[in-house]
Amino acid sequence: GENVEQHPSTLSVQEGDSAVIKCTYSDSASNYFPWYKQELGKGPQLIIDIRSNVGEKKDQRIAVTLNKTAKHFSLHITETQPEDSAVYFCAASERDDKIIFGKGTRLHILP
Amino acid sequence: DAEITQSPRHKITETGRQVTLACHQTWNHNNMFWYRQDLGHGLRLIHYSYGVQDTNKGEVSDGYSVSRSNTEDLPLTLESAASSQTSVYFCASRGSGGEQYFGPGTRLTVT
Repeated sequence: GENVEQHPSTLSVQEGDSAVIKCTYSDSASNYFPWYKQELGKGPQLIIDIRSNVGEKKDQRIAVTLNKTAKHFSLHITETQPEDSAVYFCAASERDDKIIFGKGTRLHILP
Repeated sequence: DAEITQSPRHKITETGRQVTLACHQTWNHNNMFWYRQDLGHGLRLIHYSYGVQDTNKGEVSDGYSVSRSNTEDLPLTLESAASSQTSVYFCASRGSGGEQYFGPGTRLTVT
C-alpha cells in the first residue's frame, strides 16, 4: 500500500521568510496530493491540492510542486505570517481511493 | 452550507465499556472515513466506507467497527474500550472530485 514520508517534523522560520515542507510517496499509481493545515483543537483543513497532470499549483502565498518521476512533492509558503503557525500534513491517494497521510510538520513562525 | 459534524466532542469512559462515536455529513458524499490522531503518528485510518452497506478495514482497525445504513452517517463503535484507544478521532468524507473534508474531532479518554 501507499506510504507517505514527510520532513521535517518541526520547522521554525522567521516571520516574513519562506517555509518548505517536503514529502515522498511510494505508490506510482497515486495521482492526487492534498495538503492540510491543522490548528490547535480543530480538524485538518484542506489548503491546496495538486493532481498528477500538473507540476505546480499556486494559491496566493502557498504553492505546491510535484515531481512524479522522483515521487516527491513539496509545500512552499512565502512571506510567512503568525497565523501560518500550525501542523501541516501532506497526503497521497488514487483519485477515489483512501487518502494516506504523512506524520505532519509543526510549523512555528517566530516574531 | 454542507458540513460534517461529530458527536460527542468529548467523551470519558471506562475500560471495557462499549462506546459509539457519531459522524454525520450533509455533502452527500459516498466515501466516509474514520481516523485516529496520536502524537507522533499523524492520522491513521481506522475504517472506511465507499457507500451504503460497504465497510472496509484500515491500518488500525482492531477493536473498532463501523456500519453504513445510509449515505449521511458512519458511526464508529469501540466494542470494549481500552486505554490504548484514548485518542482524538476524526471523521471525514470525500466527494468524487477527490477533495476530503474533516469533522471537528472527538476527544476520547478511556480510564
